[in-house]
Amino acid sequence: DADVTQTPRNRITKTGKRIMLECSQTKGHDRMYWYRQDPGLGLRLIYYSFDVKDINKGEISDGYSVSRQAQAKFSLSLESAIPNQTALYFCATSRGYEQYFGPGTRLTVT
Amino acid sequence: DQQVKQNSPSLSVQEGRISILNCDYTNSMFDYFLWYKKYPAEGPTFLISISSIKDKNEDGRFTVFLNKSAKHLSLHIVPSQPGDSAVYFCAASARLAGGFKTIFGAGTRLFVKA
Repeated sequence: DADVTQTPRNRITKTGKRIMLECSQTKGHDRMYWYRQDPGLGLRLIYYSFDVKDINKGEISDGYSVSRQAQAKFSLSLESAIPNQTALYFCATSRGYEQYFGPGTRLTVT
Repeated sequence: DQQVKQNSPSLSVQEGRISILNCDYTNSMFDYFLWYKKYPAEGPTFLISISSIKDKNEDGRFTVFLNKSAKHLSLHIVPSQPGDSAVYFCAASARLAGGFKTIFGAGTRLFVKA
């Protein structure tokens, strides 16, 4: 079984809809992250959490919110989706410097 | 302002030859550097790393070189194999209270031709 799982793997939604992306991990790591990948821009950090009670904004947090429900779960929400949020979204976990990524969620906002 | 730059979007190399992927960074606070490899439809996976106190780290066919004065690192793959064809992300990390913050480059797509 995968150590870091993301659901859904693919999602198409309409502008203005609220959507939640979920991430679960079995690695026992305290630190979790959400990134988005866009062509030519690499991976950009949206939010990160160093433990259950800690939530921090990353480079591009506008239009997003997160919830750390437990050590193993970290959810990303788009409050009102817009087309430029179409991207590949990755969740990651870490104990030290090295991060472990989920398989990604491909989100399309029409 | 991109703190970590990979200026080559793509690189094509013949099987058996050396692949050299480059990365530049701007922030002297970074104290650890990593390379990740990404195949289509998968998440990035860790490949190799180097601490800022070292100038070279080797793991099999993969070697990372760090030039702190130039704020430059490179990944060498020797010999290159078709299975190495993937996107390679350079990343730089700085220690924060409670954890680490990592900035990724835009990635370089490597094509290894058989």
